Amino acid sequence: AQTVTQSQPEMSVQEAETVTLSCTYDTSENNYYLFWYKQPPSRQMILVIRQEAYKQQNATENRFSVNFQKAAKSFSLKISDSQLGDTAMYFCAFMKPTNDMRFGAGTRLTVKP
Amino acid sequence: NAGVTQTPKFRILKIGQSMTLQCAQDMNHNYMYWYRQDPGMGLKLIYYSVGAGITDKGEVPNGYNVSRSTTEDFPLRLELAAPSQTSVYFCASSYSMTLPSEQYFGPGTRLTVT
Repeated sequence: AQTVTQSQPEMSVQEAETVTLSCTYDTSENNYYLFWYKQPPSRQMILVIRQEAYKQQNATENRFSVNFQKAAKSFSLKISDSQLGDTAMYFCAFMKPTNDMRFGAGTRLTVKP
Repeated sequence: NAGVTQTPKFRILKIGQSMTLQCAQDMNHNYMYWYRQDPGMGLKLIYYSVGAGITDKGEVPNGYNVSRSTTEDFPLRLELAAPSQTSVYFCASSYSMTLPSEQYFGPGTRLTVT
């Protein structure tokens, strides 16, 4: 079974600073996908960034980037120039090619003014 | 497009009652999913469907049933509701099997069983 671990239940960062959220996963699969989702207080799930396991290059989306270490089964999210609107729960997710997705328990990020 | 819609937004059930959570998408997505999110936790997959007439169990299927008679609709049935089923339920859909296809989520249904 696939498991996803987010070891930081809560984190905070000052506005404009950089923060890194950790995620590790356990799988015997070689082909899979990884995602970071954001869930603001509205409860809506919003895709932040995704990474295909076969790609060595780390994904980036504007202020969001990942550090994907396949051998270590690690997938951390870096948020640069943090903004107040980044305050939310962040979920790391692992997906097999069958689209069976598993989520971590989440990290609550607070951006302080 | 409305995207993924869910009804109702909130519901309170008594122990032993049954209900159906409705989910519809108008994006012509093949894949649909049901998740539950317990307080302070991530989402757990209950059931998913790869197309009309095809469903499969996820991580936590016990106590639930699904059907997929059309591409658009994917209702989740709770039989004999139990307090352990108190949760927020999210429906999602995605387009492709071969791509790392983004899942589009509905707004959720908050269910309380007392």
